[in-house]
Amino acid sequence: QSVLTQPPSVSAAPGRKVTISCSGSSSNIGANYVSWHQQVPGTAPKLLIYDTDKRPSGIPDRFSGSKSGTSATLDITGLQTGDEADYYCGTLDSSLSDPSVVFGGGTKVTVL
Amino acid sequence: QVQLQESGPGLVKPSGTLSLTCAVSGGSIISSNWWSWVRQSPGKGLEWIGQIYHSGSTNYNPSLKSRVIMSIDTSKKQFSLRLSFVTAADTAVYYCAIQRVELLPYFDYWGQGMLVTVSS
Repeated sequence: QSVLTQPPSVSAAPGRKVTISCSGSSSNIGANYVSWHQQVPGTAPKLLIYDTDKRPSGIPDRFSGSKSGTSATLDITGLQTGDEADYYCGTLDSSLSDPSVVFGGGTKVTVL
Repeated sequence: QVQLQESGPGLVKPSGTLSLTCAVSGGSIISSNWWSWVRQSPGKGLEWIGQIYHSGSTNYNPSLKSRVIMSIDTSKKQFSLRLSFVTAADTAVYYCAIQRVELLPYFDYWGQGMLVTVSS
């Protein structure tokens, strides 16, 4: 069971928008930055969003991140077939004596 | 651009010790980066194992802390993971990765990953 909760899957037609939610608590998302990584099956994850809403160089602005309270969101607009992948949110959890990076269980995006 | 490459045995016996090394190329291992390990059990999500700085400072996932030791060899430009008393639940693809800042939850570069199976 992951510390952060994501829907197992979302889907939409090409060109449409999908929203992936990531739910946590006051000791993780509520207090820390959020990241999003994209993973095409069989390959290593790739950083998509860091510091909640920043994109690394080379990531198109179709990908955007936000946070409200103890939940974070990744929006993908203008959906493309190449966006089919698993998406993971991550943050720091400071509820224990040793803070730890935690991830959501992942959301599979399907382009219909 | 920094590149990372994992290496080590792909099969470990139960109750044994998993040992992996990550070779760093294309950049200095003595930098502001933290050098990390993340694993992914078959069909499952990502799990952060821990990170090490070039000074030897470490941060570990509390759930694995009692079994994990990370080390770094700056002269060889590599860092290592040892996970003791392994069980089938430790079967996973193990990735080495770079965290830009201590305990910030994002990884700029990743190795290709290495499948380690725990089985007799």
